[in-house]
Amino acid sequence: QKEVEQNSGPLSVPEGAIASLNCTYSDRGSQSFFWYRQYSGKSPELIMSIYSNGDKEDGRFTAQLNKASQYVSLLIRDSQPSDSATYLCAVKGGGATNKLIFGTGTLLAVQP
Amino acid sequence: GAVVSQHPSWVICKSGTSVKIECRSLDFQATTMFWYRQFPKQSLMLMATSNEGSKATYEQGVEKDKFLINHASLTLSTLTVTSAHPEDSSFYICSAGRMGSTGAFFGQGTRLTVV
Repeated sequence: QKEVEQNSGPLSVPEGAIASLNCTYSDRGSQSFFWYRQYSGKSPELIMSIYSNGDKEDGRFTAQLNKASQYVSLLIRDSQPSDSATYLCAVKGGGATNKLIFGTGTLLAVQP
Repeated sequence: GAVVSQHPSWVICKSGTSVKIECRSLDFQATTMFWYRQFPKQSLMLMATSNEGSKATYEQGVEKDKFLINHASLTLSTLTVTSAHPEDSSFYICSAGRMGSTGAFFGQGTRLTVV
């Protein structure tokens, strides 16, 4: 079992719709969770971080965390073509390490 | 957000030569930096953790003698790919986080092509 799993997609949504991206992780001791956006040929950029159960909203983005189910998601409201990118879920494991474990990413395509 | 600068953004080298990539934290001190490699359509794979003033910690399967890491100051880490071969062609990315912060910020990445 991979440590961090994502559906590779592509996930295709029409412009203006809500895009829902999902991620599961295997380490129950994980404390910190991150969503990154990566455009083709570019390095990842941090979109959201979440540390406690529940929802966290930032503009059009909402991160959701359920530690009991070992599940974290990202919702993008009012999707725009410029949101088309690969979204990477990253998890910081329990313990003193600052290492981030990345999922394989979900490719999102927003259709105009 | 924190700024991490990586140089060069791309490099082409001949097989057998060595290439050095620099990673700088511009507005904060980073005791730890991370080096990743990303092949096309794949996710980031952590290669090593660079620790200021001490030896780097390499992930399983990464040759420490081939990928030399030096973290001589709190703002600079370097990765040297020694005796590069075409299979080393990849996108190399560094990251660093502020002390006390678990969010990592990435450099722009370096696309290495070995011919």
